[in-house]
Amino acid sequence: GDSVTQMEGPVTLSEEAFLTINCTYTATGYPSLFWYVQYPGEGLQLLLKATKADDKGSNKGFEATYRKETTSFHLEKGSVQVSDSAVYFCALNSNAGNMLTFGGGTRLMVKP
Amino acid sequence: NAGVTQTPKFQVLKTGQSMTLQCAQDMNHEYMSWYRQDPGMGLRLIHYSVGAGITDQGEVPNGYNVSRSTTEDFPLRLLSAAPSQTSVYFCASSYSTQGYGYTFGSGTRLTVV
Repeated sequence: GDSVTQMEGPVTLSEEAFLTINCTYTATGYPSLFWYVQYPGEGLQLLLKATKADDKGSNKGFEATYRKETTSFHLEKGSVQVSDSAVYFCALNSNAGNMLTFGGGTRLMVKP
Repeated sequence: NAGVTQTPKFQVLKTGQSMTLQCAQDMNHEYMSWYRQDPGMGLRLIHYSVGAGITDQGEVPNGYNVSRSTTEDFPLRLLSAAPSQTSVYFCASSYSTQGYGYTFGSGTRLTVV
């Protein structure tokens, strides 16, 4: 079945540091890939998405590229802020499925 | 535009009690779903619906029941609460199951004692 693996956290960075959160997946066909962000006490918000190989999703300074050859969708940001502190979830939606499959989430903590 | 509205935000139940978690969306989305979030396990799908009158089981359906009588509403019923159902529950909706982002509600934190 489909699965998503994320690097375990927490990831602790200083403000303005470079961020990478790794995400790899297993799925049949050509899934759509997503990153969601969850701020404390809130629901998940869609951060960015990519629907086909080599697509780059971007939003709020975050980027992720759909790499089919390595089955990866790593999240990056060049300069993090304290306000980016949250839990980040990688997810996929396969062509054959009616559901999102989530990774376990990665907590990011940014210190001033 | 309210998006996805979940009620209640917090609930404490005794083992064996039943209750209904409410979910409503005002975006005319056909697809709605319920997830539970547990520490270190991401989100797991409980039940979903692709339109009014159509529901199906997800990954962890046991102990839960759903119905979809209107496009807007998708309630989740706990039939006989157990401590293992202590979790945070999220309702989500989408225009389609394929390729579109989901809109999530703010969640219901349920504790079963």
